[in-house]
Parts: sequence; C-alpha cells; structure tokens
Amino acid sequence: GAVVSQHPSRVICKSGTSVKIECRSLDFQATTMFWYRQFPKQSLMLMATSNEGSKATYEQGVEKDKFLINHASLTLSTLTVTSAHPEDSSFYICSAWGGLGYTFGSGTRLTVV
Amino acid sequence: SQQGEEDPQALSIQEGENATMNCSYKTSINNLQWYRQNSGRGLVHLILIRSNEREKHSGRLRVTLDTSKKSSSLLITASRAADTASYFCATDYRGSGSRLTFGEGTQLTVNP
Repeated sequence: GAVVSQHPSRVICKSGTSVKIECRSLDFQATTMFWYRQFPKQSLMLMATSNEGSKATYEQGVEKDKFLINHASLTLSTLTVTSAHPEDSSFYICSAWGGLGYTFGSGTRLTVV
Repeated sequence: SQQGEEDPQALSIQEGENATMNCSYKTSINNLQWYRQNSGRGLVHLILIRSNEREKHSGRLRVTLDTSKKSSSLLITASRAADTASYFCATDYRGSGSRLTFGEGTQLTVNP
C-alpha cells in the first residue's frame, strides 16, 4: 500500500532556530501534499496545501514566512519552521494525495525550548 | 471554523461492547472518511463513504451517511482494547485530492 515517510519523528530545538521536516512518498507520486498542525487533544488543522513545482497555498492565519513549504518533486515536500518559538511547539503531520487516496505521515513532535 | 463536530468527545466502554461515534458537517460533500489515530501517531484510514452511499461495512466497522442531516456515524462492533484511539471524520468538499476538513474527534477508550 501507499507509504509516506515523515522525518524526524521528534525534534527539540532552541528558540530562534529553524527546523526542517521532511515528508516523502515512498511508492507513489504525490501530486498534492498537505501540512497539518495538531495541538494536544485537538483535531488536525490544515496549514497549507502544496502542489509539485508551485507555491503552497496557505490557510488563513498561517504565516507563510514562518512556515516555509517546498514541494520540489512529486515525492518530497518539506516544511521549515523558521525562527521557532515555544508557541510553535506542536505535532505536525503531512498527508500526500496520489490519486487513490490520502496517505498520512507518522507525524513530527516539535518542542521549542 | 469549517470543522465539523463529533460526539461524543470521549467514550469509555468495556471490551466486547459496541462503540458509536457521530460526526456532523456543514456543507455539501464529495465524500466522508473516517480515520483512526493512536496517541502521538499519524492517521490511519479506516473507511470512505461517498455522498451517494448511505451505509458501508468493513470488518467490524459500519459507517452510515445521512446527507439530509449532514451527519455520519461510525459503529465499531465487539470492541477490543486495541481499538483504543482517537477517531476523526474528514470531509472533502471539492472532489478527490482536495483539502480534507476534520471533525473534532472522539477519544475512545476500551477497557479490558
């Protein structure tokens, strides 16, 4: 079945630094990738949608200069949290659409100290 | 918010009992899906029901969809402790491959 690999699974960074999260579709081409954010005991909130080779579409209230999304190929999308602050601490999940359904990564727990 | 609502928010049952979770949404949909999430993990797709379907089964799962009421239910029969997880419904409004909108989720605890 379709597999999406998301790395790292956990990351702790210092306030002010940047963190990159990778989302890779292993056995299919993902024409569209989605990035979600999830706070404890809450649902998934869509941050942005990215299509290969084009700029990401951000949801209202999501700072595009802070959350940089790159979808350079049909199998890889990256989310970079720039100048991270403690309030950016959250669980980030990617999802890839490859024509047959949505496949989710296993998530990244980001802690900013 | 475009998110739908799910109830109950939390459900605690004994092994062997059935668990029913409900989801409501706000606008017309293309299809509705149910996902499961174990604590701190990604989402696992359980079942998809299209807008022109009313009921669907998959193993111990039964999903119903009432588009007139904009609601869906997920029934897990003969629950097991391993079913303990959060369950989310998700809808797409614009067709396959478009963004998913998730419900608030139900935290299911199955006690052995």
